[in-house]
Amino acid sequence: DGGITQSPKYLFRKEGQNVTLSCEQNLNHDAMYWYRQDPGQGLRLIYYSQIVNDFQKGDIAEGYSVSREKKESFPLTVTSAQKNPTAFYLCASSPAGGWRQPQHFGDGTRLSIL
Amino acid sequence: GENVEQHPSTLSVQEGDSAVIKCTYSDSASNYFPWYKQELGKGPQLIIDIRSNVGEKKDQRIAVTLNKTAKHFSLHITETQPEDSAVYFCAASIGTSYDKVIFGPGTSLSVIP
Repeated sequence: DGGITQSPKYLFRKEGQNVTLSCEQNLNHDAMYWYRQDPGQGLRLIYYSQIVNDFQKGDIAEGYSVSREKKESFPLTVTSAQKNPTAFYLCASSPAGGWRQPQHFGDGTRLSIL
Repeated sequence: GENVEQHPSTLSVQEGDSAVIKCTYSDSASNYFPWYKQELGKGPQLIIDIRSNVGEKKDQRIAVTLNKTAKHFSLHITETQPEDSAVYFCAASIGTSYDKVIFGPGTSLSVIP
């Protein structure tokens, strides 16, 4: 079945540590996105990528980094510069011409601080 | 900046009753409005969407209405069932950026058997 796979499901970060969240899709979608979700809040865009080797900052990019070396993969690194990283992270993808196209989501990674 | 407001934040209904969730948006250029359902511990799933050239769209027990003049849109769920219990998010496209949407804060719907 086609879909988006996020791993791990749960992740713990120590102070000063960088951690990387994986996102893989087999939907052949060109565009991919990372969102952060905090309790009782909507989704806030961290980074997005419309094509391979290209990505743009979203609304809350500080303390995060991404890469898009392959169409199917869009990993997110939460750096030590992100002082409040505890949240639920969601990856999504959409077909080419992402505008006016629905986004398909993975089941998220929950990141906590040790 | 652009934003999407959503009301109510929580909603409880008896099984079989209808549920209505309302959203307003600020960007007059918005022309795509998806609705997502998120179950506990899962990612959001698209349940219905509407584009600005349409005023209403239905899919079985779910319907969405759009009023572009007033910049608001609503989700209607009829004959609610316990499995409809979830968090629902509305979203609106951002006119100046072709691949971004802004999400509302969500509505937690509980259907009481």
